[in-house]
Amino acid sequence: QVQLQESGPGLVKPSETLTLTCTVSGDSMTESYWVWIRQPPGKGLEWIGYIHYTGSTSSSSSLKRPVTISRDMSKNQFYLKLSSVTAADTAVYYCARGSGYYTRLLFDFWGQGIPVTVSS
Amino acid sequence: QSVLTQPPSVSGAPGQRVTISCTGSSSNIGAPYHVHWYQHLPGTAPKLLIFSDSDRPSGVPDRFSGSKSGTSASLAITGLQAADEADYYCQSYDSSLSGYVFGTGTKVIVL
Repeated sequence: QVQLQESGPGLVKPSETLTLTCTVSGDSMTESYWVWIRQPPGKGLEWIGYIHYTGSTSSSSSLKRPVTISRDMSKNQFYLKLSSVTAADTAVYYCARGSGYYTRLLFDFWGQGIPVTVSS
Repeated sequence: QSVLTQPPSVSGAPGQRVTISCTGSSSNIGAPYHVHWYQHLPGTAPKLLIFSDSDRPSGVPDRFSGSKSGTSASLAITGLQAADEADYYCQSYDSSLSGYVFGTGTKVIVL
């Protein structure tokens, strides 16, 4: 069974960089897409971006700033870096596995989510 | 901002049938790109409920079914149970955004 677990700081100051880690077990990360999704308080789910097993990445244009998604396959981990955070980045952040062709991508395994608050 | 619109809530008594609509556009559902549905209980990991418009992953009861027509999709829950009380989200690919979009989310309330 594939399992994902997010880790990282629960509190980040405005203008700083948010860095999260997703640790994957039960999958060698040699296939599929590895995805970040978030849910702001009281709002719906929002796709942030992914890293494909080939190493290619894509991120949402709605974030309007650089998002870095990287991986370390020796550790079975992938990462999210979101720079210049503001209060609007306060959310529960989920990592997930994306399966299928990219225009038919579904998210079949998710982490439990990590709440992140942006505040001074 | 979500480009897929869902009703904020639907409700039904135990045993009844409820449906949740997901309305998109020609750049996503109507393109046509597949629609997937997720069940989310607060504090837990979202669960894939329906994929590729109408298929169920193993382990998902056949009380849950999906359909799609034009620029809209629907999720139906029959034989409503207290355990079905959760938030439900549709999801698809959007070619104008070159990314993945979720619905606004629907809370199912079991009366």
